[in-house]
Parts: sequence; structure tokens; C-alpha cells
Amino acid sequence: NAGVTQTPKFQVLKTGQSMTLQCAQDMNHEYMSWYRQDPGMGLRLIHYSVGAGITDQGEVPNGYNVSRSTTEDFPLRLLSAAPSQTSVYFCASSYSGIGTRSSYEQYFGPGTRLTVT
Amino acid sequence: GESVGLHLPTLSVQEGDNSIINCAYSNSASDYFIWYKQESGKGPQFIIDIRSNMDKRQGQRVTVLLNKTVKHLSLQIAATQPGDSAVYFCAEKRSRGSTLGRLYFGRGTQLTVWP
Repeated sequence: NAGVTQTPKFQVLKTGQSMTLQCAQDMNHEYMSWYRQDPGMGLRLIHYSVGAGITDQGEVPNGYNVSRSTTEDFPLRLLSAAPSQTSVYFCASSYSGIGTRSSYEQYFGPGTRLTVT
Repeated sequence: GESVGLHLPTLSVQEGDNSIINCAYSNSASDYFIWYKQESGKGPQFIIDIRSNMDKRQGQRVTVLLNKTVKHLSLQIAATQPGDSAVYFCAEKRSRGSTLGRLYFGRGTQLTVWP
């Protein structure tokens, strides 16, 4: 298994440009999420999905859109990039947490480092 | 406001010693907690988790303790090794119920292991 993959690894955008960060997992996980990590900060949840066709907002959703058309893919779209969106973005996946599993281990991708000038 | 926080931003230990990393939370509705390790330039890596109906859970060289009375979580690493040097985050699931939505992370503690 490749686990969780993210592309691109690095990206530089100009203010106002749009782009999509790609995330894919091959573990048949129901739950997928996007986080951003800023220097000296923990991860903040942007959006998450508990299955294909189902998404919900996290802590910092403004300026980002998501969709989940398949179990495997969960792209994050920046509609009009702003310097405040300069950050490292992580995608994660796990089983959904529904049921009686003892653990819901989350797997993170390697991250995308985004700079908006 | 409610937050997941860590008491110490940095922790330095000697190789072979035990490490204890602390985490405070304020939301009594949180029912699931996770510890992650993040090495420089990499994504967080799951270490261990614990449900709110437990006080203690052990893994390989790691133990998580949960004290719901004072809303405190700790990660104990036995016989700390240089490879344990990383930033450690605790995270909580704030909503009761069945899904992993609303997972909130603390700011992290930098653990440095010296020989």
C-alpha cells in the first residue's frame, strides 16, 4: 500500500490564484481530513469527510472547498489564494470511528508546503 | 476559550531516561484522545490513543495516562532513544458520538534526546 499520498510537495501561488491540493489513500478508509500547520502551532482542521459524498467543516474552513466523489480521493481547493493561506497542508485518513474498534489510527500524508505571495 | 494545550513547549532528556509529556484539555465532552509524533519535514505519525472510559493504555515503550478529574493527559516514553526526538502532539475528539469529526490538536512539545 502507498498509504496517503499528497501532491504537489511544494507550491508557490500569487494572491488571487486558485489551485487544488490532491490527496489519495489506498486503504479503503472512510474518514479523510485536511489540516493546516503553521509555525509553532498544532494542526488545525480545515474540512473532513466521513465517506463518499459527505463532507463537513472543521475549525478553519474559510477560503477552502472540498468534495469527496470517491472513497480514495479528497481534494482541497483554494478558490482565491491569500498570503494568510501560506502553510503546510496535511491530509489524513482512518476508519471512521463508527463502531467498537479499539483504535482509529490516523495516517497522514507527507504534506504540501504552500507559499502565497 | 477551550483548547488543547501542553504544559511545556520543550523537553530535553538523556538517552535511556524516561520521558513524560503532558497535555491539558478543557472540554469535558471529549471522549477520545490521540498522541502523535512528528519528525522534522514529515507528517504526524500515530503513537497511541485512549478512550475516555479508560485511565491507562500501554503500547510498545509508551504509556498514555488519562485523568478526567483534572482533564489531563500524559505520554510516557520508556528508555528514551535518540530516534524519539520529535515534536509530540496530543489531540482530542470533542464531540461525543460515533465519528472522528472535530479532532483538535495541541501546539506540541519538542522532545530532544541527548547522549
